[in-house]
Amino acid sequence: DTEVTQTPKHLVMGMTNKKSLKCEQHMGHRAMYWYKQKAKKPPELMFVYSYEKLSINESVPSRFSPECPNSSLLNLHLHALQPEDSALYLCASSQSQGNQPQHFGDGTRLSIL
Amino acid sequence: AQSVTQLGSHVSVSEGALVLLRCNYSSSVPPYLFWYVQYPNQGLQLLLKYTTGATLVKGINGFEAEFKKSETSFHLTKPSAHMSDAAEYFCAVSLSGGYQKVTFGTGTKLQVIP
Repeated sequence: DTEVTQTPKHLVMGMTNKKSLKCEQHMGHRAMYWYKQKAKKPPELMFVYSYEKLSINESVPSRFSPECPNSSLLNLHLHALQPEDSALYLCASSQSQGNQPQHFGDGTRLSIL
Repeated sequence: AQSVTQLGSHVSVSEGALVLLRCNYSSSVPPYLFWYVQYPNQGLQLLLKYTTGATLVKGINGFEAEFKKSETSFHLTKPSAHMSDAAEYFCAVSLSGGYQKVTFGTGTKLQVIP
């Protein structure tokens, strides 16, 4: 069982829809991450939150909007996505020290029609 | 700046044979190094990590890796492959800081032949 829970596991949406991905952890981690992973590729960092503040935005298009309501929750709001945004979206969390590993959820498989 | 190179996008071994997955890193400061495994339709699971101290690191599922600073390498090994080891393996490097900006290698898909 993973300690980082992501919902939903699968999501199919049209290009005009608005949806949200959710991530939850109860390990007391103060850093949380969103990654995008295309097939046969490594995860690509999208956003980093540290102590509920956005610390890194890797030049992600504005159709992706992250939100960190509290230290346990991380959301990714989606609007007007493109077919190329179809991918596995992974959430991760870690302690705030760089030598501590990230813990990953099982991801949300997103398909854009 | 930091980077990771994984040699071999696909590695095939026979069941019971030695597993060797190669990883070389580049970092301007002493790095933290990780190996993750990803099974189909799952997230990444930590196999092992090197931070400081002992250069031979033991992880889960019988895997281990040795940090060799002179060779800037962190190769992953397992003495005897099991069918259940078939998966994608990622080497990763991060630097110290209040949060991690992890750089992943391109991954190595391990196939285990019965």
